[in-house]
Amino acid sequence: AQKVTQAQTEISVVEKEDVTLDCVYETRDTTYYLFWYKQPPSGELVFLIRRNSFDEQNEISGRYSWNFQKSTSSFNFTITASQVVDSAVYFCALSPPYNFNKFYFGSGTKLNVKP
Amino acid sequence: DAGVTQSPTHLIKTRGQQVTLRCSPKSGHDTVSWYQQALGQGPQFIFQYYEEEERQRGNFPDRFSGHQFPNYSSELNVNALLLGDSALYLCASSLQGVYSGANVLTFGAGSRLTVL
Repeated sequence: AQKVTQAQTEISVVEKEDVTLDCVYETRDTTYYLFWYKQPPSGELVFLIRRNSFDEQNEISGRYSWNFQKSTSSFNFTITASQVVDSAVYFCALSPPYNFNKFYFGSGTKLNVKP
Repeated sequence: DAGVTQSPTHLIKTRGQQVTLRCSPKSGHDTVSWYQQALGQGPQFIFQYYEEEERQRGNFPDRFSGHQFPNYSSELNVNALLLGDSALYLCASSLQGVYSGANVLTFGAGSRLTVL
């Protein structure tokens, strides 16, 4: 069974604070893909990152960084020096390799960044 | 370069009615997937269309049906609407590859359906 858990329902921070969004997944597949998407109030999900299960190297993109730990089945997302524009709902998703785009999404974490 | 476009953006129906939602994929994409997102929840996979055929289906009843046209656009139809069908319906497109699980999905802004 595939499952993604985002235990943090909502997080509020003040601008310039760092914030980490947690993602824990369950799968029996040895090959899989993990994604993070951002959903602003406009509704569309915006792709942030894809990681395959064989690549545990952490990644940094500007103020964003991702920590993938296969041993704990976690794929956490950190925003450094948060900004008001980062306010959105963030989703973590799991995708088995041959599943015809059947992503398993977590329930999302709503991030509120206050000025 | 236009992304995924969906119509209508909002609509209100009553129980028992039928609804059709439309989606045009991103230019160059050939695969369309539909997701249902209830309020405060993550998107749930409904089905995927590729080469005008339904390739994979999530845990949704037969009241949910779809179609893909030769130009890759797609429709989602829901019959006999229930109150619980109220949700944001998201269309996502991608370019089919060997490892479909690796596809990055491009999402539209969704169609918000309210069933009264």
